[in-house]
Amino acid sequence: QVHLQQWGAGLLKPSETLSLTCAVSGGSFSGHYWNWIRQSPGKGLEWIGDINDSGMTNYNASLKSRVTISVDTSKNQFSLKLKSVTAADTAVYYCVGPMYDSSGSYSGDTWGQGTLVSVSS
Amino acid sequence: DIQMTQSPSSLSASVGDRVTITCRASQSIDTYLNWYQQKPGKVPKLLIYAASNLQTGVPARFSGSGSGTDFTLTISGLQPEDFGTYYCQQTYSTWTFGQGTKVEIK
Repeated sequence: QVHLQQWGAGLLKPSETLSLTCAVSGGSFSGHYWNWIRQSPGKGLEWIGDINDSGMTNYNASLKSRVTISVDTSKNQFSLKLKSVTAADTAVYYCVGPMYDSSGSYSGDTWGQGTLVSVSS
Repeated sequence: DIQMTQSPSSLSASVGDRVTITCRASQSIDTYLNWYQQKPGKVPKLLIYAASNLQTGVPARFSGSGSGTDFTLTISGLQPEDFGTYYCQQTYSTWTFGQGTKVEIK
Protein backbone atom coordinates (compact mmCIF):
# COMPACT_ATOMS: atom_id res chain seq x y z
CA GLN A 1 0.00 0.00 0.00
CA VAL A 2 1.40 3.36 -1.02
CA HIS A 3 2.19 5.71 1.87
CA LEU A 4 3.08 9.38 1.64
CA GLN A 5 4.97 11.18 4.41
CA GLN A 6 5.53 14.90 4.10
CA TRP A 7 7.49 17.51 5.98
CA GLY A 8 8.62 21.12 5.84
CA ALA A 9 8.59 24.45 7.60
CA GLY A 10 5.24 25.48 9.01
CA LEU A 11 5.76 29.18 9.77
CA LEU A 12 6.99 31.66 7.21
CA LYS A 13 7.28 35.41 6.87
CA PRO A 14 5.93 37.25 3.84
CA SER A 15 8.29 37.10 0.84
CA GLU A 16 9.94 33.88 2.04
CA THR A 17 9.91 30.60 0.14
CA LEU A 18 7.70 27.70 1.17
CA SER A 19 9.49 24.36 0.93
CA LEU A 20 7.88 20.95 1.46
CA THR A 21 9.02 17.42 0.65
CA CYS A 22 7.02 14.20 0.30
CA ALA A 23 8.44 10.69 0.53
CA VAL A 24 6.69 7.82 -1.23
CA SER A 25 6.89 4.29 0.14
CA GLY A 26 5.18 0.96 -0.36
CA GLY A 27 4.54 1.25 -4.05
CA SER A 28 5.97 2.09 -7.44
CA PHE A 29 7.29 5.63 -7.79
CA SER A 30 8.02 5.38 -11.48
CA GLY A 31 5.48 5.94 -14.19
CA HIS A 32 3.07 8.03 -12.15
CA TYR A 33 2.30 11.68 -11.50
CA TRP A 34 2.67 13.01 -7.96
CA ASN A 35 0.64 16.00 -6.86
CA TRP A 36 0.50 18.89 -4.43
CA ILE A 37 -2.86 20.19 -3.19
CA ARG A 38 -3.62 22.97 -0.73
CA GLN A 39 -6.59 24.02 1.34
CA SER A 40 -6.86 27.51 2.78
CA PRO A 41 -8.63 27.83 6.16
CA GLY A 42 -12.32 27.20 5.72
CA LYS A 43 -11.97 26.87 1.96
CA GLY A 44 -12.00 24.16 -0.68
CA LEU A 45 -9.25 22.16 -2.28
CA GLU A 46 -6.86 23.70 -4.80
CA TRP A 47 -4.54 21.71 -7.03
CA ILE A 48 -1.06 23.25 -7.15
CA GLY A 49 0.73 21.02 -9.63
CA ASP A 50 2.24 17.64 -10.36
CA ILE A 51 5.40 15.90 -11.49
CA ASN A 52 6.38 12.49 -12.79
CA ASP A 53 9.55 10.53 -12.25
CA SER A 54 11.05 11.99 -15.43
CA GLY A 55 10.62 15.47 -14.03
CA MET A 56 7.77 16.53 -16.30
CA THR A 57 5.59 19.05 -14.50
CA ASN A 58 2.20 20.69 -14.76
CA TYR A 59 1.23 23.72 -12.69
CA ASN A 60 -1.92 25.56 -11.76
CA ALA A 61 -1.90 28.64 -13.97
CA SER A 62 -2.73 30.90 -11.02
CA LEU A 63 0.46 29.82 -9.18
CA LYS A 64 2.76 28.95 -12.06
CA SER A 65 5.00 32.00 -11.77
CA ARG A 66 5.87 31.15 -8.15
CA VAL A 67 5.84 27.34 -8.04
CA THR A 68 8.55 24.78 -8.63
CA ILE A 69 7.97 21.06 -8.16
CA SER A 70 11.00 18.78 -8.32
CA VAL A 71 11.68 15.07 -7.96
CA ASP A 72 14.46 12.94 -6.49
CA THR A 73 14.02 9.46 -7.88
CA SER A 74 16.95 8.09 -5.88
CA LYS A 75 14.93 8.75 -2.73
CA ASN A 76 11.39 8.34 -4.11
CA GLN A 77 10.67 11.90 -3.04
CA PHE A 78 9.15 14.97 -4.63
CA SER A 79 9.22 18.54 -3.40
CA LEU A 80 7.29 21.78 -3.60
CA LYS A 81 8.72 25.28 -3.52
CA LEU A 82 6.48 28.34 -3.55
CA LYS A 83 8.33 31.64 -3.58
CA SER A 84 7.33 35.10 -2.41
CA VAL A 85 4.60 33.83 -0.09
CA THR A 86 1.92 36.11 1.35
CA ALA A 87 -0.80 35.61 3.93
CA ALA A 88 -2.99 34.32 1.10
CA ASP A 89 -0.73 31.27 0.88
CA THR A 90 -1.60 30.23 4.42
CA ALA A 91 -3.07 26.76 4.00
CA VAL A 92 -2.75 23.08 4.71
CA TYR A 93 -0.60 21.58 1.98
CA TYR A 94 -0.99 17.94 0.97
CA CYS A 95 1.02 15.64 -1.24
CA VAL A 96 -1.15 13.18 -3.15
CA GLY A 97 -0.42 10.23 -5.38
CA PRO A 98 -2.08 7.29 -7.12
CA MET A 99 -2.70 3.80 -5.79
CA TYR A 100 -2.88 0.67 -7.89
CA ASP A 101 -4.26 -2.75 -6.98
CA SER A 102 -2.52 -6.08 -7.45
CA SER A 103 -3.66 -6.25 -11.08
CA GLY A 104 -2.19 -2.84 -11.81
CA SER A 105 -5.55 -1.07 -12.02
CA TYR A 106 -5.93 2.42 -10.61
CA SER A 107 -7.61 2.32 -7.20
CA GLY A 108 -7.79 5.95 -6.20
CA ASP A 109 -5.38 8.42 -4.67
CA THR A 110 -3.64 8.47 -1.31
CA TRP A 111 -2.83 11.63 0.63
CA GLY A 112 -0.03 12.68 2.91
CA GLN A 113 -0.87 13.79 6.43
CA GLY A 114 -0.89 17.46 5.49
CA THR A 115 1.30 20.35 6.65
CA LEU A 116 -0.16 23.59 7.94
CA VAL A 117 1.87 26.46 6.56
CA SER A 118 1.18 29.83 8.12
CA VAL A 119 2.49 33.07 6.65
CA SER A 120 2.68 35.94 9.09
CA SER A 121 4.98 38.82 9.83
CA ASP B 1 -9.32 24.04 -16.93
CA ILE B 2 -12.26 21.73 -16.36
CA GLN B 3 -14.76 23.27 -13.96
CA MET B 4 -16.56 21.04 -11.46
CA THR B 5 -19.90 22.24 -10.11
CA GLN B 6 -21.36 20.50 -7.08
CA SER B 7 -24.88 20.79 -5.75
CA PRO B 8 -26.22 21.45 -3.27
CA SER B 9 -23.61 23.48 -1.40
CA SER B 10 -25.08 22.27 1.87
CA LEU B 11 -27.82 20.01 3.13
CA SER B 12 -29.34 18.87 6.38
CA ALA B 13 -30.84 15.40 6.58
CA SER B 14 -32.04 12.91 9.16
CA VAL B 15 -30.48 9.61 10.10
CA GLY B 16 -31.70 7.00 7.68
CA ASP B 17 -32.39 9.42 4.84
CA ARG B 18 -31.17 8.86 1.33
CA VAL B 19 -28.84 11.69 0.37
CA THR B 20 -27.77 12.59 -3.15
CA ILE B 21 -24.98 14.97 -4.14
CA THR B 22 -24.37 15.83 -7.77
CA CYS B 23 -21.28 16.97 -9.60
CA ARG B 24 -21.22 18.33 -13.13
CA ALA B 25 -18.09 18.76 -15.24
CA SER B 26 -17.72 21.55 -17.78
CA GLN B 27 -16.64 18.98 -20.36
CA SER B 28 -16.63 15.22 -20.62
CA ILE B 29 -14.29 13.49 -18.17
CA ASP B 30 -15.29 9.90 -18.94
CA THR B 31 -15.24 8.28 -15.46
CA TYR B 32 -12.20 10.13 -14.13
CA LEU B 33 -14.09 11.24 -11.05
CA ASN B 34 -13.39 10.65 -7.36
CA TRP B 35 -15.46 11.48 -4.29
CA TYR B 36 -14.02 12.45 -0.91
CA GLN B 37 -15.39 13.02 2.56
CA GLN B 38 -13.62 15.51 4.80
CA LYS B 39 -14.22 16.14 8.46
CA PRO B 40 -12.91 19.25 10.24
CA GLY B 41 -9.16 19.16 10.72
CA LYS B 42 -8.79 15.86 8.90
CA VAL B 43 -7.29 14.67 5.64
CA PRO B 44 -9.88 14.09 2.90
CA LYS B 45 -10.96 10.46 2.84
CA LEU B 46 -11.43 8.72 -0.49
CA LEU B 47 -14.89 7.19 -0.80
CA ILE B 48 -15.36 6.46 -4.49
CA TYR B 49 -12.81 6.32 -7.30
CA ALA B 50 -13.32 6.15 -11.05
CA ALA B 51 -16.91 7.32 -10.61
CA SER B 52 -18.39 4.13 -9.19
CA ASN B 53 -15.76 2.06 -7.40
CA LEU B 54 -16.08 1.84 -3.65
CA GLN B 55 -12.77 2.33 -1.86
CA THR B 56 -11.78 -0.57 0.39
CA GLY B 57 -13.17 -0.15 3.86
CA VAL B 58 -15.84 2.38 2.94
CA PRO B 59 -19.37 1.35 3.98
CA ALA B 60 -21.58 0.02 1.21
CA ARG B 61 -24.19 2.73 1.87
CA PHE B 62 -21.98 4.99 -0.22
CA SER B 63 -22.27 4.63 -3.98
CA GLY B 64 -21.28 6.61 -7.03
CA SER B 65 -22.58 6.73 -10.56
CA GLY B 66 -22.25 8.67 -13.77
CA SER B 67 -19.96 9.22 -16.70
CA GLY B 68 -19.19 12.02 -19.12
CA THR B 69 -20.28 15.22 -17.41
CA ASP B 70 -22.82 14.22 -14.76
CA PHE B 71 -22.06 12.31 -11.59
CA THR B 72 -23.85 11.40 -8.39
CA LEU B 73 -22.78 10.38 -4.91
CA THR B 74 -25.53 8.64 -2.95
CA ILE B 75 -25.64 7.82 0.73
CA SER B 76 -28.33 5.19 1.25
CA GLY B 77 -29.27 5.47 4.87
CA LEU B 78 -27.45 8.44 6.35
CA GLN B 79 -25.60 7.70 9.58
CA PRO B 80 -24.52 10.15 12.32
CA GLU B 81 -20.86 9.70 11.38
CA ASP B 82 -21.52 10.80 7.79
CA PHE B 83 -21.41 14.50 8.65
CA GLY B 84 -18.71 16.47 6.91
CA THR B 85 -17.94 18.09 3.60
CA TYR B 86 -17.98 16.06 0.42
CA TYR B 87 -15.88 16.92 -2.63
CA CYS B 88 -15.80 15.62 -6.15
CA GLN B 89 -12.48 15.64 -8.01
CA GLN B 90 -11.78 15.18 -11.70
CA THR B 91 -8.51 13.54 -12.73
CA TYR B 92 -9.16 13.56 -16.48
CA SER B 93 -6.78 16.47 -16.95
CA THR B 94 -4.99 18.73 -14.49
CA TRP B 95 -7.02 18.17 -11.36
CA THR B 96 -9.90 20.30 -10.23
CA PHE B 97 -12.32 19.89 -7.36
CA GLY B 98 -15.91 20.77 -6.77
CA GLN B 99 -16.57 23.50 -4.24
CA GLY B 100 -17.86 21.02 -1.67
CA THR B 101 -21.17 19.97 -0.14
CA LYS B 102 -21.52 20.32 3.61
CA VAL B 103 -23.68 17.56 5.08
CA GLU B 104 -25.25 18.11 8.47
CA ILE B 105 -27.31 15.67 10.51
CA LYS B 106 -30.67 16.97 11.70
